[in-house]
Amino acid sequence: DAGVIQSPRHEVTEMGQEVTLRCKPISGHDYLFWYRQTMMRGLELLIYFNNNVPIDDSGMPEDRFSAKMPNASFSTLKIQPSEPRDSAVYFCASSFLLAEPTDTQYFGPGTRLTVL
Amino acid sequence: QQQVKQSPQSLIVQKGGISIINCAYENTAFDYFPWYQQFPGKGPALLIAIRPDVSEKKEGRFTISFNKSAKQFSLHIMDSQPGDSATYFCAAHRGYQKVTFGTGTKLQVIP
Repeated sequence: DAGVIQSPRHEVTEMGQEVTLRCKPISGHDYLFWYRQTMMRGLELLIYFNNNVPIDDSGMPEDRFSAKMPNASFSTLKIQPSEPRDSAVYFCASSFLLAEPTDTQYFGPGTRLTVL
Repeated sequence: QQQVKQSPQSLIVQKGGISIINCAYENTAFDYFPWYQQFPGKGPALLIAIRPDVSEKKEGRFTISFNKSAKQFSLHIMDSQPGDSATYFCAAHRGYQKVTFGTGTKLQVIP
């Protein structure tokens, strides 16, 4: 398996533009997570899905952020309009049910977003 | 209630030394405690994990020590190597519920 795939790996955009980040989870995993990582705030969970249904979006910072999972093999995180404070590395992760300590989330390589 | 506090923020250890990273949690409902390792430019990856019904788990040079009464757990890296230089995150969750991560410790092992 290729692991979790994210695109693009790097994104530079100007303030006010729409940004769409993409994720392909590991085949067969039924949980998908979006995280944001910054030096100041560390690793923050934004939203997670189970079987394509959003379960908890309490970490989504504001209405400018939205996430969708139209099918089991694809998810998007959209920021519209983007702001400089959105600059961060965004990770997608997927997993089976986290029922055992060795069950884990598999992280993608991340998308480094820079908003100018 | 959901926080996991991690220290130190950064750590420099000489090759062959012991690296120790500490975490404390508040939510007594947490019942899984994984540690993740992250190299620059990569996503975090599971390193080792423990349930609270054991006080210690060892895998190679990596050991988790768990103190349930104090609500603390720690990662010990024995015989630290330059290749261990990475950022380490402790985490906690309850079963299938979302994982709460610590703030991370950047470890540098110098030759």
